[in-house]
Amino acid sequence: GAVVSQHPSWVICKSGTSVKIECRSLDFQATTMFWYRQFPKQSLMLMATSNEGSKATYEQGVEKDKFLINHASLTLSTLTVTSAHPEDSSFYICSARRQSYGYTFGSGTRLTVV
Amino acid sequence: AQKITQTQPGMFVQEKEAVTLDCTYDTSDPSYGLFWYKQPSSGEMIFLIYQGSYDQQNATEGRYSLNFQKARKSANLVISASQLGDSAMYFCAMREGRANAGKSTFGDGTTLTVKP
Repeated sequence: GAVVSQHPSWVICKSGTSVKIECRSLDFQATTMFWYRQFPKQSLMLMATSNEGSKATYEQGVEKDKFLINHASLTLSTLTVTSAHPEDSSFYICSARRQSYGYTFGSGTRLTVV
Repeated sequence: AQKITQTQPGMFVQEKEAVTLDCTYDTSDPSYGLFWYKQPSSGEMIFLIYQGSYDQQNATEGRYSLNFQKARKSANLVISASQLGDSAMYFCAMREGRANAGKSTFGDGTTLTVKP
């Protein structure tokens, strides 16, 4: 089946530093990937749609300069949280859609900013 | 108005019994897809089942079935013969528009606890 690998699974970083999260489609090409954010016991909130070879489409209220998305190839999308602050601490999860497999999600990244 | 509504924040079910998780949706687009996902405590999202708006029959995948009532705009998930490993959070989601539009809207989720 379709597999999406997300790395790292968890990361702790100091306030003011940047963190990069990778999302790879392992056995299929994904022209579009999605980045979500999830607070404890809450639903997923779509942050942005990552499009291969073009700029990401951000949802309203998401700072594009803070959450940098790069989708340089058909199998890799990255989310970089720049100048992280404690309020950025959250669970970030990516997904990609493959025909007849529905949406496949990465395993998520738990970010803690201290 | 919320596009996806899951009215049950938490549900309990006895092991080996069936359970129905409710989901209602709101859309004016004639083309849409409905999904159910399972999120265990580990955080990963697991795709369970899909129903297209034009599908004539209710989707089934093993112990999972989707009770699709188009007129009522409901897409309830039925889990038969519950197992302890089914304890998790379950999300209903909808994708509007053409198949490659992509973006999905999620409900708030239902936490299912299976009792031994």
